[in-house]
Amino acid sequence: AQKVTQAQTEISVVEKEDVTLDCVYETRDTTYYLFWYKQPPSGELVFLIRRNSFDEQNEISGRYSWNFQKSTSSFNFTITASQVVDSAVYFCAPLYNQGGKLIFGQGTELSVKP
Amino acid sequence: EAGVTQFPSHSVIEKGQTVTLRCDPISGHDNLYWYRRVMGKEIKFLLHFVKESKQDESGMPNNRFLAERTGGTYSTLKVQPAELEDSGVYFCASSPLAGGHNEQFFGPGTRLTVL
Repeated sequence: AQKVTQAQTEISVVEKEDVTLDCVYETRDTTYYLFWYKQPPSGELVFLIRRNSFDEQNEISGRYSWNFQKSTSSFNFTITASQVVDSAVYFCAPLYNQGGKLIFGQGTELSVKP
Repeated sequence: EAGVTQFPSHSVIEKGQTVTLRCDPISGHDNLYWYRRVMGKEIKFLLHFVKESKQDESGMPNNRFLAERTGGTYSTLKVQPAELEDSGVYFCASSPLAGGHNEQFFGPGTRLTVL
């Protein structure tokens, strides 16, 4: 079965520290997409990034960066110089069938303390 | 542009009662999805509509759950009769039909508590 593992259930850091959230997925598909969503305390799911399986270039967006390693089926997310507002639950979610369902990991709850 | 909206935001009912959740997708989005997160576990897929048709309902837990999308606009998810294990947050998401790998836009969720 296709699944995704976010091994870190909870992470606590102090503001300005860098933090990496791990995501490992399982698939036999050659074409798929990978997403990260953020769920702040207010509860809504906020889209952060989408990558396709053909593009292994790492991506940086401000303080956020993503490391996609197809050989190890990992799509890790790093926040540089974390801020209190980054406190949230972060979900990694592969999408294996175009137009189909997202497969969510269990989420990593990040707490950034001042 | 309005985002995905869900109603109600919270619902508290007793075991055995019926509850109907509503989702209004972003206008023009033909794909509509229902997910739920139970007791801090992972968010799990329930079903997927393309317009008014059920494309995939493999995640529906049992026949106490009924989803409809009449006219291909808003969708309802009815739980009848509700059980304790149905408590959780129910999310709705929508995306355009073209480019099936596009971002799914999520609503704020409905928190359902079954007592």
